[in-house]
Amino acid sequence: HLQLQESGPGLVKTSETLSITCTVSGGSIRNNSYNWGWIRQPPGKGLEWIGSIYYTGTTYYNPSLKSRVTISLDTSKNQVSLKLSSVTAADTAVYYCARDEVLTGLFDCWGQGTLATVSS
Amino acid sequence: QVVLTQSPSASASLGASVKLTCTLSSGHSRYAIAWHQQQPEKGPRFLMKLNSDGGHNKGAGISDRFSGSSSGAERYLTISSLQSDDEADYYCQTWGTGIRVFGGGTKLTVL
Repeated sequence: HLQLQESGPGLVKTSETLSITCTVSGGSIRNNSYNWGWIRQPPGKGLEWIGSIYYTGTTYYNPSLKSRVTISLDTSKNQVSLKLSSVTAADTAVYYCARDEVLTGLFDCWGQGTLATVSS
Repeated sequence: QVVLTQSPSASASLGASVKLTCTLSSGHSRYAIAWHQQQPEKGPRFLMKLNSDGGHNKGAGISDRFSGSSSGAERYLTISSLQSDDEADYYCQTWGTGIRVFGGGTKLTVL
């Protein structure tokens, strides 16, 4: 039974870098059938795809965030990480990780999400 | 780039059926989509993949009350025998090479 669990600092200061980790259990992030994606949801708003990563390290980013985003893997810990630099209040959101099918692109398993609040 | 359009809200009575719509932008009518449900204060849950021909594959444990269909650029999610815990936000999602796109979501109220 695949489970994804996000963990992060909760509060980040304006202009700093937000770092969040997703720990995957019940399956390997080295499975070549899947990418691992990050999606965020500002309070009261809809879902926004941030980016996805394949087990080889190939990444795909939302063009609107690409200049500030880095997604990486730690295969020894079965974790996926997100870094978002130069954050502002507009980056306040719940951040979700999700499994992303390579053959389709759909997200078929989601974490519970972690709230990141940006404040000065 | 593909855009998905959803009505912001919908409502239906307990025990009734409701049909939610997701519209693909011009030139993208053959795209498959996925439907996701987000209950209040929870993470999203994958419901089904829906193809342009109406064929659909549901996620594990998804009730038979949820079904999908397609017509042209429109993709539908039908929920029958509405229950109180069907009150949720419903998002459609599609994909292309190196890109993932979500619709704005429909908030379903069960009366």
